[in-house]
Amino acid sequence: DAKTTQPNSMESNEEEPVHLPCNHSTISGTDYIHWYRQLPSQGPEYVIHGLTSNVNNRMASLAIAEDRKSSTLILHRATLRDAAVYYCILRDEGGNLIFGKGTKLSVKP
Amino acid sequence: DSGVTQTPKHLITATGQRVTLRCSPRSGDLSVYWYQQSLDQGLQFLIQYYNGEERAKGNILERFSAQQFPDLHSELNLSSLELGDSALYFCASRHDDGAGEQFFGPGTRLTVL
Repeated sequence: DAKTTQPNSMESNEEEPVHLPCNHSTISGTDYIHWYRQLPSQGPEYVIHGLTSNVNNRMASLAIAEDRKSSTLILHRATLRDAAVYYCILRDEGGNLIFGKGTKLSVKP
Repeated sequence: DSGVTQTPKHLITATGQRVTLRCSPRSGDLSVYWYQQSLDQGLQFLIQYYNGEERAKGNILERFSAQQFPDLHSELNLSSLELGDSALYFCASRHDDGAGEQFFGPGTRLTVL
């Protein structure tokens, strides 16, 4: 499975936008880019996924580079509840989720 | 609440013992996935079942086995337990076995003493 690289940790202030980067230089044409997050003491939670075009949903936006070698998860206004570990995952059609270390996001009031 | 339930919530047992973890997927979901989360290995995919049949295997030890029953609930059996098997075990479900969202349960925390 293709690998992703994320910063170990990031900090944000409450009510400010957060941009979480992910590099996936070995991505193949059929790999979907998935983001999950894991809040403390909970199971992972789906955030968003995309293939080529930018995607928006109620939780976040996903910006995908034109060459697809990187992507950015955007939380438009961070809240204290967004403090979590965010995982960027590449997954083939019909494949399984292979989690990396993720980025631990801290949100300061 | 994801709609996926796991029992028990906590389990404490001794080395060498055998335990069974249970997962009920969301209503109508045919795929069940099992993951292990330990401090040193992070979240690891173990195995996937789809409509009663094994579909994919990840880093699952031979001491571990799983099955999915006709009512679609799944069980993960862990035997000859070792201290290193202490971890959180998560179950996730999906309607099919495609590339979209997986819904995770709250996990079972296993402690092997």
